[in-house]
Amino acid sequence: DVVMTQSPLSLPVTLGQPASISCRSSQSLVHSNGNTYLSWFQQRPGQSPRRLIYKVSNRDSGVPDRFSGSGSGTDFTLKINRVEAEDVGVYYCMQGTHWPGLTFGGGTKVEIK
Amino acid sequence: QVQLVESGGDLVEPGGSLRLSCAASGLPFSESFMSWIRQAPGKGLELFSYISGSGDTIYYAESVKGRFTISRDNAKNSLYLQMNSLRAEDTAVYYCARVADSSIVYWGQGSLLTVSS
Repeated sequence: DVVMTQSPLSLPVTLGQPASISCRSSQSLVHSNGNTYLSWFQQRPGQSPRRLIYKVSNRDSGVPDRFSGSGSGTDFTLKINRVEAEDVGVYYCMQGTHWPGLTFGGGTKVEIK
Repeated sequence: QVQLVESGGDLVEPGGSLRLSCAASGLPFSESFMSWIRQAPGKGLELFSYISGSGDTIYYAESVKGRFTISRDNAKNSLYLQMNSLRAEDTAVYYCARVADSSIVYWGQGSLLTVSS
């Protein structure tokens, strides 16, 4: 299975400041069809995860535009432009390029300083 | 709107069995790849099983292969997970989730399984 490695494990951020989370895959996530199936999920405390970003940089409906995804190949980044209190939680990347095993990163905990 | 509602979580002794159910609404269930994802206490996410809309494609991670069985009833818009030979390390919140375009698009609220004597 493809191994997804996130960093940092914990990210203390000041309200209103930017935050950046890295996700690296053990193999290129470029599919033979040209798409790159890298998604980002947010899990707020006590809640189920919800998807924020799919195919590297596409925001889901209702996701604030302060969230953005970028990257290619094996290196990807989730950026929060100006962190708000509601952004506290754990963020996960996930690869959907290499089946059958769809794999998640270990998670990055975003907290307010 | 889409709703995925898991049920059946419980406290089970090691070696025991349990069946989880997931009732789906608001989506074309019979056309949907469905999955089970689990999260051990304080840990990350593991997608350990999925099933195609027709049921002809099934996947199990090595961690559950031979012990867990995924199934579905499209007439009832329901997904199931039969879990046998349960171990302490199976303790987790179990999420039912829809897979679409190689991503997870909808999640249930989760059902807690605790394996302990």
